Amino acid sequence: NAGVMQNPRHLVRRRGQEARLRCSPMKGHSHVYWYRQLPEEGLKFMVYLQKENIIDESGMPKERFSAEFPKEGPSILRIQQVVRGDSAAYFCASSPGQGEADTQYFGPGTRLTVL
Amino acid sequence: DAKTTQPPSMDCAEGRAANLPCNHSTISGNEYVYWYRQIHSQGPQYIIHGLKNNETNEMASLIITEDRKSSTLILPHATLRDTAVYYCIVFNSGSARQLTFGSGTQLTVLP
Repeated sequence: NAGVMQNPRHLVRRRGQEARLRCSPMKGHSHVYWYRQLPEEGLKFMVYLQKENIIDESGMPKERFSAEFPKEGPSILRIQQVVRGDSAAYFCASSPGQGEADTQYFGPGTRLTVL
Repeated sequence: DAKTTQPPSMDCAEGRAANLPCNHSTISGNEYVYWYRQIHSQGPQYIIHGLKNNETNEMASLIITEDRKSSTLILPHATLRDTAVYYCIVFNSGSARQLTFGSGTQLTVLP
């Protein structure tokens, strides 16, 4: 049973380019979460999505960042016009969406480096 | 979600039990205690969770005090591969979906 998959694992972009990070949840999971870990800092929640819906984006930067989880295919975290401060590890998690103890399982992360 | 307090670092000898404490004195009655760990910048790994009763799985045991104000994660026979940052999080997905990661405890297993 494959876990949460993220790709690419490493991504290098120049300032001003776009970055697209993909996340495929575990089989049977319909809820996806994105977290960001800046260098030498803790993980911070960004956004929570269900299929075709953004449920909570309270942790998303107001500009340049967007997320989607389409009916078919992986969840995408998109960063437009990247800046050096976007360099971080981006982790996706998924959960089945059941009950009050809805455990989130994390992927290996995408490490974004902005030159 | 309630805040948690963990020691910043701990050492443990290989083969011995590692006991990681967590204080969560403001935990609500319906909040679960979750433990994750992060090995050297890999994705956080779920370990175990519990509400009131003690729990055990193939990775660890979780001991929650009767008043639920603190808990201890026990790794019964620590190995070098258990060296990681361990996070204690209180959480109820019925109220908020985001996990709030604090600073955690850096556990170093020594040979």
